[in-house]
Amino acid sequence: DSGVTQTPKHLITATGQRVTLRCSPRSGDLSVYWYQQSLDQGLQFLIQYYNGEERAKGNILERFSAQQFPDLHSELNLSSLELGDSALYFCASRQWGYGYTFGSGTRLTVV
Amino acid sequence: QQQVKQSPQSLIVQKGGISIINCAYENTAFDYFPWYQQFPGKGPALLIAIRPDVSEKKEGRFTISFNKSAKQFSLHIMDSQPGDSATYFCAGEIQGAQKLVFGQGTRLTINP
Repeated sequence: DSGVTQTPKHLITATGQRVTLRCSPRSGDLSVYWYQQSLDQGLQFLIQYYNGEERAKGNILERFSAQQFPDLHSELNLSSLELGDSALYFCASRQWGYGYTFGSGTRLTVV
Repeated sequence: QQQVKQSPQSLIVQKGGISIINCAYENTAFDYFPWYQQFPGKGPALLIAIRPDVSEKKEGRFTISFNKSAKQFSLHIMDSQPGDSATYFCAGEIQGAQKLVFGQGTRLTINP
C-alpha cells in the first residue's frame, strides 16, 4: 500500500456521461498530481494541486476539471466522455524534496 | 523538447543476466531523472533517481548511469530476477515545474 488511495478501482460508463475520480494523498502530503496512462500516449501529466490551489497544468482537456478540498483529498471530474478517454488515471502525492508516490489508479472504460 | 525517449519497448533477459534500458532527453532544464517500476494493476513505484551533477547512482542491484553531455541516462539491473519482470519508465523533471515527463516505457521479462 503506497498510502495514496484512489477510488473507484474500475469504472465503466457510456459516451457522453460524466464521472468523478477520487484521490486521498499520503498523510502529511499537501500536493496532489493527476496523470493519465493510455496505450498510445503513455503517462501524461494532467494537473497539480497544492493545499487546495491549482499549481500546474499539463495536457488536460477542457472537458476535465479537478479540485482539492480542505481535507486535501482531490477529485478529477471527466465530462462528455469519449471512447478515447478510456485509460488508467493515477493520482500521486509528494513530500517536498522526495519522489512522487502513486496510487493504484482508476481504470476508466468508456463504452 | 519536452520529450523523453525510451528504448527498447520490450526486453527479454535470462535470470541472472543484466537488463539495460536507455533514455534520452532534449530539454537541458531537466534536473531530476527518476526511474519507476510498474506491475500490472498497480501504480508506478519509484525505483531510483539521479540528479545531473552525478554520473552514476547505485542502489542494490539497480544502477543509473548518467551522461550529461550526451543527454542520456540508463538503468542497469544486475542479476535480474523473475520478480523484476515489470514495465519500467524513465522520466525527467524541470526544477520547480512539479510535473514528470515520462518515457514510453519498457516491458521487461526475466525468463527463469
